[in-house]
Amino acid sequence: GAVVSQHPSWVICKSGTSVKIECRSLDFQATTMFWYRQFPKQSLMLMATSNEGSKATYEQGVEKDKFLINHASLTLSTLTVTSAHPEDSSFYICSARGGPTYEQYFGPGTRLTVT
Amino acid sequence: GQNIDQPTEMTATEGAIVQINCTYQTSGFNGLFWYQQHAGEAPTFLSYNVLDGLEEKGRFSSFLSRSKGYSYLLLKELQMKDSASYLCAVKGSTLGRLYFGRGTQLTVWP
Repeated sequence: GAVVSQHPSWVICKSGTSVKIECRSLDFQATTMFWYRQFPKQSLMLMATSNEGSKATYEQGVEKDKFLINHASLTLSTLTVTSAHPEDSSFYICSARGGPTYEQYFGPGTRLTVT
Repeated sequence: GQNIDQPTEMTATEGAIVQINCTYQTSGFNGLFWYQQHAGEAPTFLSYNVLDGLEEKGRFSSFLSRSKGYSYLLLKELQMKDSASYLCAVKGSTLGRLYFGRGTQLTVWP
């Protein structure tokens, strides 16, 4: 139980385009989902926290107009990187909180490369 | 602010024991997690401590001292597959978010 999926697992896009990443909790309802970004050899940096049906809470320094987060249901959250630039290339990981232990479960991550 | 500190790198040989330390200073505390992360993959849960003391789970054990703001992860009978980054994370009091350390890259040599 407590499985979180992400799609796509990797994506390459051109500079200036937008990319949408999906995060799904497959076998539990996630009241809260978290989006992280991880650069090579760095730790996970929290970008934003989203609760189902409400606006996401962004961490300081994260542009909410650039990283659009939607948490429309208890099993799905999406992160859209708008007008992507090469410096947005990173490993994006979501986690979902819920299930019987109300702990966070991580998705497998999405590798984004912007050319 | 929040500060989670752990060594950047450690090395050990197969069959040995290694201890990875983590010290933390956070405004709230609702437990400490250890995760294992292989390159290019998401973190996987190893252990959770919320009370002082030692939690043992197979080859892995985790210790917590809340008064000292200190934890360690103990790995016994090291195997090559244990080569990975080990992340210490503290659950804060706001929305249950996790504050991560930078991770300790462990290399296990044959």
